[in-house]
Amino acid sequence: EVQLVDSGGGLVQPGRSLRLSCAASGFTFDDYAMHWVRQAPGKGLEWVSGISWNSGNIGYADSVKGRFTISRDNAKNSLYLQMNSLRVEDTAFYFCVKGERGVLMGASYVSWGQGTLVTVSS
Amino acid sequence: QSVLTQPPSASGTPGQRVTISCSGSSSNIGYNTVNWYQQLPGTAPKLLIYSNNQRPSGVPDRFSGSKSGTSASLAISGLQSEDEADYYCAAWDDSLNGPVFGGGTKLTVL
Repeated sequence: EVQLVDSGGGLVQPGRSLRLSCAASGFTFDDYAMHWVRQAPGKGLEWVSGISWNSGNIGYADSVKGRFTISRDNAKNSLYLQMNSLRVEDTAFYFCVKGERGVLMGASYVSWGQGTLVTVSS
Repeated sequence: QSVLTQPPSASGTPGQRVTISCSGSSSNIGYNTVNWYQQLPGTAPKLLIYSNNQRPSGVPDRFSGSKSGTSASLAISGLQSEDEADYYCAAWDDSLNGPVFGGGTKLTVL
């Protein structure tokens, strides 16, 4: 059974940093691209970033480009999101998502983590 | 403002058929397949329809999807109380080089 366990969320002040992690199991991790999708409380879904199976192709939403960095460690079956210069508008639940295939392309996501809440507030 | 446009709300009575629309452009729906997600309160989204009209294993055949040009629709027939949820459409966007989502439609079963 595919499992994605998100962690690392919490309360942080504007301008500070936070690192999210996602522990994957139940599938061949390095066969798939991985993504982070966020959802502000009471709002819709927004793609944040994605990384291909071998980290060769990485993409970011314009809203986080230059501030967030996605990475993966295939040996540890883990996905990460380093979030710097956090803003109040980054407050959201962050979901780790298993991609459709090894490359980034595709928006058909069967497996999602439970989400970790990031709250940016002074 | 979401890239894909959905009505914010929809409603129906038990047993009815409801449809939810999703409008996009040539860079997303026009050239890529559409997927639909159902999200119950406090839970992660669940894939409901993929590749425009395919249902993952376990999804009842009451749910169906279609696509025409730069628009898509999700239809739910034989509406049930447990269908009350938020529904999102999604597609890959070639211009943004990432997936885009609709703003979501809150379905109420009256």
